[in-house]
Amino acid sequence: QSALTQPASVSGSPGQSITISCTGTSSDVGGYNYVSWYQQHPGKAPKLMIYAVSNRPSGVSNRFSGSKSGNTASLTISGLQAEDEADYYCTSYTFSGRVVFGGGTDVTVL
Amino acid sequence: EVQLVESGGGLVKPGGSLRLSCAASGLTFSDAWMSWVRQAPGKGLEWVGRIKRKTDGGTTDYAAAVTGRFTISRDDSKNTLYLQMNSLETEDTGVYFCATEGHSYGHHSFDIWGQGTMVTVSA
Repeated sequence: QSALTQPASVSGSPGQSITISCTGTSSDVGGYNYVSWYQQHPGKAPKLMIYAVSNRPSGVSNRFSGSKSGNTASLTISGLQAEDEADYYCTSYTFSGRVVFGGGTDVTVL
Repeated sequence: EVQLVESGGGLVKPGGSLRLSCAASGLTFSDAWMSWVRQAPGKGLEWVGRIKRKTDGGTTDYAAAVTGRFTISRDDSKNTLYLQMNSLETEDTGVYFCATEGHSYGHHSFDIWGQGTMVTVSA
């Protein structure tokens, strides 16, 4: 199972919106509504930010939103803040029953 | 407070074995699907495998890279998850996290994470 494809890096200025894409296939992203997104700060454990494509866990800012079209899922961060600077990973359930991660995206707040 | 605490990491030679543990508290462990996720130094996250709760069969699934070498098990009486790693390779070096899978927020999302334990495979 190949990793999902994410851009290596995305940057934006404070207050701007950015979108991170996560591209898979019909056997993973396109076939199931089990896409999640995680935020990871250096040296820390990942944190769940979005589950089931577009749902936010309790306590996660509504500046974070998720969507999916075909084989590509997206995470949008609006009103970018300094604290949003981190690595972001997508995951998807796959036809084999396994879970696959994206390669990760380094978000920089300029 | 819900908490997962990994232990058992360390330095091991290629071809060696190691067993990691993940102690859970603050949740009904027997109801949880549990996964292991690893991260090589400076690299991204990689799913290692999972074990379902016994009421869902208690079965395991593994990533292709570890199938046949790693075994995930659980002891619900001790609220503990295990990862037995055999025939270790240098590529297995990294931080190993345990996580609940779909405990609070939807199927196949990792919603509670431990802090991780470092495994180094080197001669």
